[in-house]
Parts: sequence; structure tokens; C-alpha cells
Amino acid sequence: GAGVSQSPSNKVTEKGKDVELRCDPISGHTALYWYRQSLGQGLEFLIYFQGNSAPDKSGLPSDRFSAERTGGSVSTLTIQRTQQEDSAVYLCASSPQFSGANVLTFGAGSRLTVL
Amino acid sequence: AQSVAQPEDQVNVAEGNPLTVKCTYSVSGNPYLFWYVQYPNRGLQFLLKYITGDNLVKGSYGFEAEFNKSQTSFHLKKPSALVSDSALYFCAVSTLTGGGNKLTFGTGTQLKVEL
Repeated sequence: GAGVSQSPSNKVTEKGKDVELRCDPISGHTALYWYRQSLGQGLEFLIYFQGNSAPDKSGLPSDRFSAERTGGSVSTLTIQRTQQEDSAVYLCASSPQFSGANVLTFGAGSRLTVL
Repeated sequence: AQSVAQPEDQVNVAEGNPLTVKCTYSVSGNPYLFWYVQYPNRGLQFLLKYITGDNLVKGSYGFEAEFNKSQTSFHLKKPSALVSDSALYFCAVSTLTGGGNKLTFGTGTQLKVEL
């Protein structure tokens, strides 16, 4: 597609429920990233995928968080047993390849509210 | 570990006046430096980057930034601010070595341009 698409744009859930957030990157982009934006915390790196390589999961805050990327394209971020501190905007980004010099193109984000 | 500091949570400037948004970084090796902007209810957009070469980098919407290696800074500047420049600005750093391809972001600076 023309840009990075994320869904849902807004999600309200109850504490303890599982949620799935979806990211559809720009066609042909091999690198895909997930970040979390919390008020006053800036952007926190969660995970990235590059082609068929093993993902870098070093930023996932707990084992309740997981992510998959199927067929080198669409990615799903899953949060199990959600907690109130998980409330944030989850941003997905993609880039043509895995390089520190590349510009990331971000989606509009998925705003998660855990009641 | 790489890090970015944006010492000002908010910067206020009158329209037509010059603006500066400060950023300092810490990284092992040569840095790749970026500025991104986030308008209300929208994803992050790329403004400019420094990879190598001329220390003064020009980007979108009349913004520029100067890489200063001795001061480990990459301040964002614009000669004449517009009300439409009001947004949240993020500085970010990555590097070539040791998995540093992950962009590390600062906490953001809210720029408010007033008439």
C-alpha cells in the first residue's frame, strides 16, 4: 500500500483481556518495527523484524507481549492479560531494509486503553 | 547503550522568530541522527537526518539541524517559525554497529508557535 496501515485505530479493553494489534507495512519493505508511545515517555522500542532473520525481541517489556510477522509482510502484536500500564499508543514502522541510516515510515498508531 | 536527551519538554516561540529544539545523544561509534515530527492525531513524519558529510543538514518545511560531534548535539532549528510548526518533535539516534540499527528516541519536545 501507499503507507503503513494499522488497525484498530482505537481499542478499549478490560484488564485481563487479550488484544491483537495489526500492522500492514509498505509493500516491499523488509524491515518492520513496533514502538510504544506513552505520555511523557517518548517512543519505546519493542521489537523488529528483518526479512527471514530471527526478530529482535529485546524491547518487549514482559512475556505477555509477543509479535509475529507472517509471510514477511503483515505483523500482529499480541498483548495477553492486559494491565492498565499497557495503555499507550502502539506504533508500527517499516523501512526498505535493515540499516541504521534508513528512514522509518510510521503508521498512525493503535491507541490502547485498558480499563 | 545509545540514548537521546531532549532537555525541554516544551518550547514556546512567537511566529516569525527563530526556533531551536535541543537534542544531545550518546552512542558508541559514529551516530546516525534523525528528527521526526508528530502532528496531533497523526503518525510520526521524517524531517531530516545526518549520516555523514556536511554538519549542517537541511530538511522538510525549512527546518535544519547541525551535527556537533564535540558537543554530541543535533539541535533542530528554523529561521522563522510558523504557527503550523506547532507539533511534537522527536530526536533519534542509531548507529551501524552492534544492533544499533534500532532507532532510539528522545522523550519529545512540544513546540508551540503563537501569533
